[in-house]
Amino acid sequence: QKEVEQDPGPLSVPEGAIVSLNCTYSNSAFQYFMWYRQYSRKGPELLMYTYSSGNKEDGRFTAQVDKSSKYISLFIRDSQPSDSATYLCAMSAWRYGGATNKLIFGTGTLLAVQP
Amino acid sequence: EAQVTQNPRYLITVTGKKLTVTCSQNMNHEYMSWYRQDPGLGLRQIYYSMNVEVTDKGDVPEGYKVSRKEKRNFPLILESPSPNQTSLYFCASIPSNPSVPDTQYFGPGTRLTVL
Repeated sequence: QKEVEQDPGPLSVPEGAIVSLNCTYSNSAFQYFMWYRQYSRKGPELLMYTYSSGNKEDGRFTAQVDKSSKYISLFIRDSQPSDSATYLCAMSAWRYGGATNKLIFGTGTLLAVQP
Repeated sequence: EAQVTQNPRYLITVTGKKLTVTCSQNMNHEYMSWYRQDPGLGLRQIYYSMNVEVTDKGDVPEGYKVSRKEKRNFPLILESPSPNQTSLYFCASIPSNPSVPDTQYFGPGTRLTVL
């Protein structure tokens, strides 16, 4: 079983739709949860991060973490064609300076927002 | 402009021909890392470096070498490339005291094909 599972999609939605992207994980030591966005032919860029459980909102994006269920989500409201990209979840157990800086990534979900 | 650069961006080579992919960052970051990205497998860490002359293996180090003689550069070396090393490679760097835990700044990627 992979440490992090993510539905690869592709996910196609009309412009303006609410998008829900999800990851599940098995390692209860994970404390830091991140979402990266990767446009075609580009490197991933950090979109949002959350520490431990709870919600975090940034504009049209909301990240949720449910540690009891080992489940994280990214919601995109009023989706735009410019949101079309691959979204990768990532997790780590330790803060920088700890035993390792290793991030465990999901495989990514390809999202297409149709105009 | 703060950035991570990689060269070459695209490379087609043959089995056994040594190659080096360069990575350079201009942000004075201490921590750097190499990943490979494959369909269905996501991003997997190859090697990382906590500082100059300090390197360690990630999850998939076999067939790769790295060096960190200067803070800004972290080249990835394939001594004898094989077809299973055909992949998309990303270099990443992290600031010493990131405001966001494990914020990784990714390069644009190097697409390597080994025939």
